[in-house]
Amino acid sequence: EVQLLESGGGLVQPGGSLRLSCAASGLTFRTYAMSWVRQAPGKGLEWVSAISSSAISTYYVDSVKGRFTISRDTSKSTLYLQMNSLRAEDTAVYYCARVTPNWDHFDSWGQGTLVTVSP
Amino acid sequence: QSALTQPPSASGSPGQSVTISCTGTSSDVGGYDYVSWYQQHPGEAPKLMIYEVDKRPSGVPDRFSGSKSGNTASLTVSGLQAEDEADYYCSSYAGGITPFVFGTGTKVTVL
Repeated sequence: EVQLLESGGGLVQPGGSLRLSCAASGLTFRTYAMSWVRQAPGKGLEWVSAISSSAISTYYVDSVKGRFTISRDTSKSTLYLQMNSLRAEDTAVYYCARVTPNWDHFDSWGQGTLVTVSP
Repeated sequence: QSALTQPPSASGSPGQSVTISCTGTSSDVGGYDYVSWYQQHPGEAPKLMIYEVDKRPSGVPDRFSGSKSGNTASLTVSGLQAEDEADYYCSSYAGGITPFVFGTGTKVTVL
């Protein structure tokens, strides 16, 4: 069974930084693309970033380009999201999700970690 | 990339059917047969219900079905049950440098 466990969320001031982690188990991590999806309080899902299985290709939603960096460590089966220059509008639950080989949907999700950006 | 458009709410009585639409453009929904649907109960992570327009993952009841016509995809829940009350989100592959887009979400209420 695939398990994705996010960590690293918390309260941070505007302009601050935070690094999220997603520990994966029950899958051959190195063979799957991975992604981050977020959900602001009371709002809908928003795709944030994705990384290919080889880590050669990365993708970002426009609103986080230049501020967020996605990466992965195959030896640790862990996905990361480095978030810098955080803004109030980045406040959300951040989910880690596995991307299927066709890059067409997300078939496994973590339980999420809450990031709150506030003075 | 703009979010796909879904109605904010839909409802039906137990045993009835409800259909949710998801409208995009020729760059996403209309351009690929890669539409997926997710169910989300309050406080829980999303769960995949439909992928590649009309395919059901193992374990998803056949009461859930998907379809697509042009730039609009649809999710139908037949034989509504109390546990179907949840938020539903569509998603589509969009290619390019922003490969994924979600819908605005629909709250389904079982009356």
